Amino acid sequence: AQKITQTQPGMFVQEKEAVTLDCTYDTSDPSYGLFWYKQPSSGEMIFLIYQGSYDQQNATEGRYSLNFQKARKSANLVISASQLGDSAMYFCAMRLTGGGNKLTFGTGTQLKVEL
Amino acid sequence: GAVVSQHPSWVICKSGTSVKIECRSLDFQATTMFWYRQFPKQSLMLMATSNEGSKATYEQGVEKDKFLINHASLTLSTLTVTSAHPEDSSFYICSATVGPPSETQYFGPGTRLLVL
Repeated sequence: AQKITQTQPGMFVQEKEAVTLDCTYDTSDPSYGLFWYKQPSSGEMIFLIYQGSYDQQNATEGRYSLNFQKARKSANLVISASQLGDSAMYFCAMRLTGGGNKLTFGTGTQLKVEL
Repeated sequence: GAVVSQHPSWVICKSGTSVKIECRSLDFQATTMFWYRQFPKQSLMLMATSNEGSKATYEQGVEKDKFLINHASLTLSTLTVTSAHPEDSSFYICSATVGPPSETQYFGPGTRLLVL
């Protein structure tokens, strides 16, 4: 069965600094997709970035980049130049191809950006 | 693009009543929508997969007679919590998938349900 692990329940970062949120996954399926979502206190889930298992390059979306290390089964999210508005819960998720497009979520990391 | 709306955002009801939550994809068609439940400070728990024109597929442990799902069109799925009780109080959030290759799920803003 697939599993997503986020080992950092909480993280602090200074404004304008970069921060890495960890995510490891476990699957024997060779084809899968990895996602990161941001959930502010309002509750909405905001899609940030996607990485396919066969993608050769690490995904980037603006200040977000995904450090994909397939052999280590890790998909860490890097946020550069942190802003106060980045304070939120961040969830890593995995989708198995052929798995009905279901997502398996990690337990999340609460990020707090400080002045 | 890929905007999903959800209505209502907040609902307070008395125990024993039924509550309907709507999930709409506003600028795309979604053959598949998902319904999740989230308790405070916890992750999302998938309740069911809603497919347009067919019966929903429920996850293990989710009562299909309690949580009725209807996906009548390519842009609308509804979740009805029947005979709601206080333990049904939670945050319910839906998502809809865009096409391949990523099949990214875009989420609605969620509905907070409080059953008194």
